[in-house]
Amino acid sequence: QKEVEQDPGPLSVPEGAIVSLNCTYSNSAFQYFMWYRQYSRKGPELLMYTYSSGNKEDGRFTAQVDKSSKYISLFIRDSQPSDSATYLCAMSEPGGYNKLIFGAGTRLAVHP
Amino acid sequence: NAGVMQNPRHLVRRRGQEARLRCSPMKGHSHVYWYRQLPEEGLKFMVYLQKENIIDESGMPKERFSAEFPKEGPSILRIQQVVRGDSAAYFCASSAESSYNSPLHFGNGTRLTVT
Repeated sequence: QKEVEQDPGPLSVPEGAIVSLNCTYSNSAFQYFMWYRQYSRKGPELLMYTYSSGNKEDGRFTAQVDKSSKYISLFIRDSQPSDSATYLCAMSEPGGYNKLIFGAGTRLAVHP
Repeated sequence: NAGVMQNPRHLVRRRGQEARLRCSPMKGHSHVYWYRQLPEEGLKFMVYLQKENIIDESGMPKERFSAEFPKEGPSILRIQQVVRGDSAAYFCASSAESSYNSPLHFGNGTRLTVT
């Protein structure tokens, strides 16, 4: 079993839809949770960063962490074609540095 | 992503040759990480370096792979005697501090193809 599971998709939605992306994990020691966006042939860019459980909102993006269920989510409201990318969840233990464990990524396509 | 510079963007090597991947971190960043991304898989941690020191190389294969981050110049990931299984995208990331509160900034990667 992988430490972090993420549905690879692809996920195809119409413009304006609400998108829900999810990851589950097995290591209860994970405390830091991140979502990265990766466009084709580019490096990942950090979208959201959350410590422990709870919600965090930034514009059209909302990240949720449920540590009791070992489940994290990213919601994208009013999705745009420019949101079409691969979304990677990542997490780490409190080890003092950025040794991240990534999910395999979910490919999202937002069509006009 | 433009802040972390990786070169070359694409590298083709025959089996048995050496591959050298370079990474210049963002200005002011002294912490460098290397990750590898295989097709249809997420990024896998390889090594974490600070200037002149390897802090954590637990993700590096024991043989043929080495990394350095000298006092002057870019960080280098070196793969000796490459095999087909080394074909992947190699990403470098840097941060200003070692803390998990200091976000990682990734480069656009080097895509290594072994023929």
